[in-house]
Amino acid sequence: QKEVEQNSGPLSVPEGAIASLNCTYSDRGSQSFFWYRQYSGKSPELIMSIYSNGDKEDGRFTAQLNKASQYVSLLIRDSQPSDSATYLCAVEGGATNKLIFGTGTLLAVQP
Amino acid sequence: KAGVTQTPRYLIKTRGQQVTLSCSPISGHRSVSWYQQTPGQGLQFLFEYFSETQRNKGNFPGRFSGRQFSNSRSEMNVSTLELGDSALYLCASSADRGTDTQYFGPGTRLTVL
Repeated sequence: QKEVEQNSGPLSVPEGAIASLNCTYSDRGSQSFFWYRQYSGKSPELIMSIYSNGDKEDGRFTAQLNKASQYVSLLIRDSQPSDSATYLCAVEGGATNKLIFGTGTLLAVQP
Repeated sequence: KAGVTQTPRYLIKTRGQQVTLSCSPISGHRSVSWYQQTPGQGLQFLFEYFSETQRNKGNFPGRFSGRQFSNSRSEMNVSTLELGDSALYLCASSADRGTDTQYFGPGTRLTVL
């Protein structure tokens, strides 16, 4: 089992819809969780961090964390073509004290 | 604040050569982490440096090494390059721990011929 798993996609949604991106992790001791966005040919940029169970909202983005289920998700409301990118989930590796990245989900927002 | 900078942005080398990449973290950040990104493997952790000491290391061969200077700037070196080393090498800085929020530089695209 991979330490951090994401569906590689592509996830295709129409403009204006809600995009839902999911991530599961294996280390129950993980405490910090991050979502990054990476455009093709560019480096990852931070979207959100989340540390507690529940929802955290920032503009059109909502991160959801469920530690019992070892699940973290990112919702993008009113998706725009400019949101088309690869979304990387990163999880603090508990005992390893390093960030573990998933392989990313490619999101395509259709105009 | 200025962001993370990496030099050079692009490199072309041949097999057997060695290469040195440089990273300057955000001012005040003390932790620098290095990653290799390839289409098939995603972001793979190489190592993390803090206060001139390697604090964490990924599963890469000894050909990959790094160091950090007193001003927190970091370099990584790859010796005896192989074709499979072709990748985007990313540096990320964080304030203290490597598991704090990391901010990435633009990366160095290395092509090994």
